[in-house]
Amino acid sequence: DTGVSQDPRHKITKRGQNVTFRCDPISEHNRLYWYRQTLGQGPEFLTYFQNEAQLEKSRLLSDRFSAERPKGSFSTLEIQRTEQGDSAMYLCASSPSRGFQETQYFGPGTRLLVL
Amino acid sequence: RKEVEQDPGPFNVPEGATVAFNCTYSNSASQSFFWYRQDCRKEPKLLMSVYSSGNEDGRFTAQLNRASQYISLLIRDSKLSDSATYLCVVHQGGKLIFGQGTELSVKP
Repeated sequence: DTGVSQDPRHKITKRGQNVTFRCDPISEHNRLYWYRQTLGQGPEFLTYFQNEAQLEKSRLLSDRFSAERPKGSFSTLEIQRTEQGDSAMYLCASSPSRGFQETQYFGPGTRLLVL
Repeated sequence: RKEVEQDPGPFNVPEGATVAFNCTYSNSASQSFFWYRQDCRKEPKLLMSVYSSGNEDGRFTAQLNRASQYISLLIRDSKLSDSATYLCVVHQGGKLIFGQGTELSVKP
């Protein structure tokens, strides 16, 4: 399977714990994006990378959230001191860098539940 | 006001019906436009891009009116397998802005 992969697929944690999610983009894609989706809503943009550079962060990305893409390949999204409001599906997407109008391909998501 | 607004759902239609989804966007600088489909508890998948001249893909027709900042999707001869949430999406400065989605349920 050469699509976007995410790990883990599901995560249950207690409030206050830290969690980290991983995303592996499609191999030739330079751009990588993180979105968050809550029940009954469309996905909301969090941040994106061009290779290893983080180019934009949404104001939704509080200081408890940090994303990295150290070698321009896979990316991690860490949430520190989780809150119940962080419960959502976290989606990763990737696209080639031939222009901003390139289609973004989504991974299956990581579903987070904070108790 | 949300940047991308869609018709509230759900839409419940019989097989074979024609169904239309409408969407408006607020930022006239939006660069490109899409419809994504999302099945229950799955990731969004691109259904089709939307062009100013209108475009068709089988039973699906998408229209864009830049002057009115309005996007539509028409599904003809709906199938049971069309049941999903349809997301109107605009592309702004590298990121996708999604509507809240409209749920479609096609019944036998």
